[in-house]
Amino acid sequence: DSGVTQTPKHLITATGQRVTLRCSPRSGDLSVYWYQQSLDQGLQFLIHYYNGEERAKGNILERFSAQQFPDLHSELNLSSLELGDSALYFCASSVVANEQFFGPGTRLTVL
Amino acid sequence: EDQVTQSPEALRLQEGESSSLNCSYTVSGLRGLFWYRQDPGKGPEFLFTLYSAGEEKEKERLKATLTKKESFLHITAPKPEDSATYLCAVLDSNYQLIWGAGTKLIIKP
Repeated sequence: DSGVTQTPKHLITATGQRVTLRCSPRSGDLSVYWYQQSLDQGLQFLIHYYNGEERAKGNILERFSAQQFPDLHSELNLSSLELGDSALYFCASSVVANEQFFGPGTRLTVL
Repeated sequence: EDQVTQSPEALRLQEGESSSLNCSYTVSGLRGLFWYRQDPGKGPEFLFTLYSAGEEKEKERLKATLTKKESFLHITAPKPEDSATYLCAVLDSNYQLIWGAGTKLIIKP
């Protein structure tokens, strides 16, 4: 158990809908990262937050947004969902720029 | 452009057959290299961090080494439960983490 929690574990929704994924980092970690992993693909970095502020953006679509709250939990919002958005979404946390610890992921299925 | 390349893409070994996975990188100002293990449908699990050439880390049947251009993950006498995808990531001078595509390791009993 990495100490990073993600909810929900599974999410099934329809095209055009909007969903919110939630992540709670390890105690003491100020950084939160979001990744997308499609079937049999590598990890695609989406976005990094540090202590409530956006630090870096990767290949994140404009339909996706994220935020980190004062209690350090983070939410990833996905809107106008398409079939191709079906994937595993991972959250990771770290102390500054050290090794990242990953949550169990949220499996999103868009029908 | 900063890049991380892992080879081979996939590796099939018999139980007990030792081998090595490679992670080569071209980054400006390496700040750290990380190895992870990922089981299907699960989040990557942190294994090792290496910071400078010549450094080595060990954990059970795994040993990670680092040179100025690459890192090796040596697996000694592997067991079927070592089957997983092994990911390498490099932290560059801008504190950006660059991920390799991974090596899928299959250990046959």
